[in-house]
This record gives sequence, C-alpha cells and structure tokens, in this order.
Amino acid sequence: AQSVTQLGSHVSVSEGALVLLRCNYSSSVPPYLFWYVQYPNQGLQLLLKYTTGATLVKGINGFEAEFKKSETSFHLTKPSAHMSDAAEYFCAVTDPTDSWGKLQFGAGTQVVVTP
Amino acid sequence: NAGVTQTPKFQVLKTGQSMTLQCAQDMNHEYMSWYRQDPGMGLRLIHYSVGAGITDQGEVPNGYNVSRSTTEDFPLRLLSAAPSQTSVYFCASSYQGYEQYFGPGTRLTVT
Repeated sequence: AQSVTQLGSHVSVSEGALVLLRCNYSSSVPPYLFWYVQYPNQGLQLLLKYTTGATLVKGINGFEAEFKKSETSFHLTKPSAHMSDAAEYFCAVTDPTDSWGKLQFGAGTQVVVTP
Repeated sequence: NAGVTQTPKFQVLKTGQSMTLQCAQDMNHEYMSWYRQDPGMGLRLIHYSVGAGITDQGEVPNGYNVSRSTTEDFPLRLLSAAPSQTSVYFCASSYQGYEQYFGPGTRLTVT
C-alpha cells in the first residue's frame, strides 16, 4: 500500500521568499511522483512529475522538485514566491506497476503569499 | 478541445434524493476517474474506468454507482444522497493513467 504525507496544511510565505513544500511517501516499490496545484474554485493542474531518470525535476511556473529515495521525499521548491502562487498544492504517488496509474494524494498544503 | 467538462457546477440535494453528476472528455482518453475532495483529506478515488464497459471501485465507492457506455462519458450516480456525501467532486481522464487532466469540479451539498 502507498501513502503520502504532506507536512504542514498551511504555509505562509512572503513575496520573493523561498517556497518549500514537503512531501514524504511510503511505498513498497519506487513510485512515480507528482505535484498538482489547485487555484481557488478550479480543478487540479499538473505542476511536475517524476517517473525515471534525473531526480531533479523542473515544472511549470518556476517550480522544481527533487526525488530523494533515501529520504523517501519529493519536496517542492520555488526560489522566489509570487502572489499568483497562492493556491493549494497536492503531492501524489502511483505504483509504476499499475498500468492505469491510480493516484494516491496527500492531504494538501495551502500556500498564502503575503506582500 | 474542451478537455474535461463537468455538470452541474453546484447542486443542493435533500437527504434521500438521487442525482447524476456528468463528466465528459474529448481527448479520447481510455482512463477516467471520479474523486471527492474533503478538507484536510486531499482527493480520494471513488470509481474509475479503463475503457467503455469496464469500471472498478476506488478507495471510497460506497453510495456511488458508475457506468461507462462510451469513451467520452463517465457519469457518477448518487442513489440515495446522505449528508456525508457533501463534498467537491472531480472527474479526471488520462491516456495512460499517469498525467491526469481534471475537470473544474461539482460542489455538492446534501441537507
């Protein structure tokens, strides 16, 4: 069975400051990992994903995440927060042996950006 | 392409009523799924389908039915609504199951 833990349900960052959202997973096999973003009253949008290969993954809107197998982590970062980054962020995992890639989501982290 | 569309956007039901949430996609995706989103719990998989005529249960299937008669449509039926089904419902689709595209959601309140 797989599970995802996102540390911190709410994060407040200043505009221009580093954004760091933490995600740890539990899985019997190395999973595929995803970060999704949800803007208010909208559906989820894929930010980035890790499947195989390079462990540092770059996504849209200046976000990146690094897969660290030894730490079972996939933390999301952005060097400089923008007001438009205010949203809820979800980490998700899937078992690579599941051909249909059913996703297991974390509980989400709400990001507030202050001027 | 319209992507993934959901109707209605908002719905209020009384306990015991039934209704169908509609989901359609125009990307010819084989995989479609329904999630519910509740505060502090992320998204949980209700049912999914890997093609027309093929459906299976997810993590929280009780109280919900699905069918898939065409590639494009994947409706979710609430047979007898309960207050515990108050939630935001998202439909998603994908070609190979990994990069899922989400609809805008249906906000359901059961009183």
